[in-house]
Amino acid sequence: QSVLTQPPSVSAAPGQKVIISCSGSSSNIGNNDVSWYQQLPGTAPKLLIYDNNERPSGIPDRFSGSKSGTSATLGITGLQTGDEADYYCGTWDSSLSAYVFGTGTKVTVL
Amino acid sequence: EVQLVESGGGLVQPGGSLKLSCAASGFTFSSFWMSWGRQAPGKGLEWVANIKQDGSEKYYVDSVKGRFTISRDNTKNSLYLQMNSLRAEDTAVYYCAREYYYGSGRNYNPWGQGTLVTVSS
Repeated sequence: QSVLTQPPSVSAAPGQKVIISCSGSSSNIGNNDVSWYQQLPGTAPKLLIYDNNERPSGIPDRFSGSKSGTSATLGITGLQTGDEADYYCGTWDSSLSAYVFGTGTKVTVL
Repeated sequence: EVQLVESGGGLVQPGGSLKLSCAASGFTFSSFWMSWGRQAPGKGLEWVANIKQDGSEKYYVDSVKGRFTISRDNTKNSLYLQMNSLRAEDTAVYYCAREYYYGSGRNYNPWGQGTLVTVSS
C-alpha cells in the first residue's frame, strides 16, 4: 500500500474549487519536493505540478500546489468537466530509496 | 517532440518471463534518468524502478527486487525492463517515463502510452 494518503474522491459543481490533500512523512514529503499528476480516463499520467507549487508550460493557472511539513495540497479552481480525472501526488522516499505515489483522488464535476 | 513508446507487453503464464522495451525520441536520451511505473487494472499508480544516465545506479520497489531488472542502451535510445518469475499481481499497464528536474525535485515528464502485461494461466 502507498505511503502517501489522499482522499478517494472529491467533487464540486462547474466553476467551483476543489482541494486534494496528500499526507506523508518526514522521509518523503517532509524532505523532498512533491509533484502532482493528472490521469484522464484511459490515458497516461501527465505532470501537472512540480517542485511543490510550479506549473510546467501549458498547464493553466487554475491548478496550484502547496506544501507544508509532511503534507501537500493540489487546488483546482474554475472547475471544468474536462478536469474529471484521477489525480496523484508523488515524491521520492529517502528511507525506501524509491519514488512513491499517493493513493489517488478521483475528481468529479457535478 | 519528446516521445516514449513502450512495447513487449502480452499474456504470460505465472512464473514466466517478459521483456519490455521503451523507445525514446525527441530528446538526448543519455542525459536523463529513466523509470518504469505500472498501474494494475482499476488501481493506482506504482513506481517500479529507475536507472541513472550511464546505468551505474538502479533502484527498485521492494515487490519486484530480485525478479525485475531495468537496463538501457543509450546507443539505441532505449529503456528495458526484464521481468522474471512473474506473478498474477504483476498484471498491469507498464509505463516508461523520463525523470525531469526543473529544480531540485524528481518529476516524471513525459510518460509513454503504456503496454499491458497480463499474468494468467
